Amino acid sequence: GESVGLHLPTLSVQEGDNSIINCAYSNSASDYFIWYKQESGKGPQFIIDIRSNMDKRQGQRVTVLLNKTVKHLSLQIAATQPGDSAVYFCADVTNKLIFGTGTLLAVQP
Amino acid sequence: GAVVSQHPSWVICKSGTSVKIECRSLDFQATTMFWYRQFPKQSLMLMATSNEGSKATYEQGVEKDKFLINHASLTLSTLTVTSAHPEDSSFYICSSRAFFGQGTRLTVV
Repeated sequence: GESVGLHLPTLSVQEGDNSIINCAYSNSASDYFIWYKQESGKGPQFIIDIRSNMDKRQGQRVTVLLNKTVKHLSLQIAATQPGDSAVYFCADVTNKLIFGTGTLLAVQP
Repeated sequence: GAVVSQHPSWVICKSGTSVKIECRSLDFQATTMFWYRQFPKQSLMLMATSNEGSKATYEQGVEKDKFLINHASLTLSTLTVTSAHPEDSSFYICSSRAFFGQGTRLTVV
């Protein structure tokens, strides 16, 4: 069945370093993805999206890369800050909004 | 981005009672809203798709008589957990388009 999953459940980085969070998807027909940030006790917050006609999209301090050949997404956060500590999800939004497993990003001061 | 408001943010109820959770789109009309459930340290699981003016579509394994969904207007969808039991305790989140409410922490005692 359709699934979206993450390779790393926990990622610990030093403040100021760059973070890379990975995500794999299984449906080759999927064409729209969103990365979300979820802080404890809150709903997911939209970070950045990407459609399949692009392989890279940049936002403020964040970059999403899409490799359709291997069905892989990544979220790169530049100069990671303590406020970036949260759980990050990729979501396949092609039809319904299906979430991946999630990665906990822990930023060490 | 679009604003989705969810109420209440937390609720404690006794076993056997029913609890209603509201999800409102504040600055747009939402013909479709989604309801999710999230257990601690897990991803969001799609429960159902709420459709304005028609019946909700439930995901496999979700009891429609247990989780009643009403979408009577273009700005409001409600989820009622009927005859709640402790195993229904969870974090419930609604979304419309790609944006999420703040979530509702339900504790059944």
